[in-house]
Amino acid sequence: EDQVTQSPEALRLQEGESSSLNCSYTVSGLRGLFWYRQDPGKGPEFLFTLYSAGEEKEKERLKATLTKKESFLHITAPKPEDSATYLCAATSSGGSYIPTFGRGTSLIVHP
Amino acid sequence: KAGVTQTPRYLIKTRGQQVTLSCSPISGHRSVSWYQQTPGQGLQFLFEYFSETQRNKGNFPGRFSGRQFSNSRSEMNVSTLELGDSALYLCASRSAGGTDTQYFGPGTRLTVL
Repeated sequence: EDQVTQSPEALRLQEGESSSLNCSYTVSGLRGLFWYRQDPGKGPEFLFTLYSAGEEKEKERLKATLTKKESFLHITAPKPEDSATYLCAATSSGGSYIPTFGRGTSLIVHP
Repeated sequence: KAGVTQTPRYLIKTRGQQVTLSCSPISGHRSVSWYQQTPGQGLQFLFEYFSETQRNKGNFPGRFSGRQFSNSRSEMNVSTLELGDSALYLCASRSAGGTDTQYFGPGTRLTVL
């Protein structure tokens, strides 16, 4: 059974304090690894798709990386507006295109 | 391109009633998936429709059903509502061109009293 586990569940940072969120995945052949940002009461907003180990993608203060077992979302010099829940999901090559989602990391950035 | 749209955004129903939610995917996207999101269970997959056919189904009771129209718009129906059906219902669309990246709508907040 495919599994995606995110850690930590919650993270509090001071503005400017860089950190990383972890996403560990167990799928039968990774097809794609996805990161989303979700604000309270809203739908997840797509951030990145990663396909192979060693791949990296960046957007503003966010950088996503991928290894054969996990993905990291690095947040550099975060601002209060980066506060949100970050969701990770993975699809497997042997199955459907339906992703398995992690429970998310709730990030709060204090000014 | 316009994003995924969902209507209505908020709904309040009572137990035993039924409800229909609507989703319009991104133009050109033929796959539409539905999810239920609650604080306790996270994002749970309901079903996926592609070219008017249900292609995948999650582990939900038969009270949850859906359909897709020829223009790729989709509806989800929940009959005989229960208190536990209160949730954020999310629709996501995907292009059929080999990518499996899903794009989500804003969601419909359903409250069952």
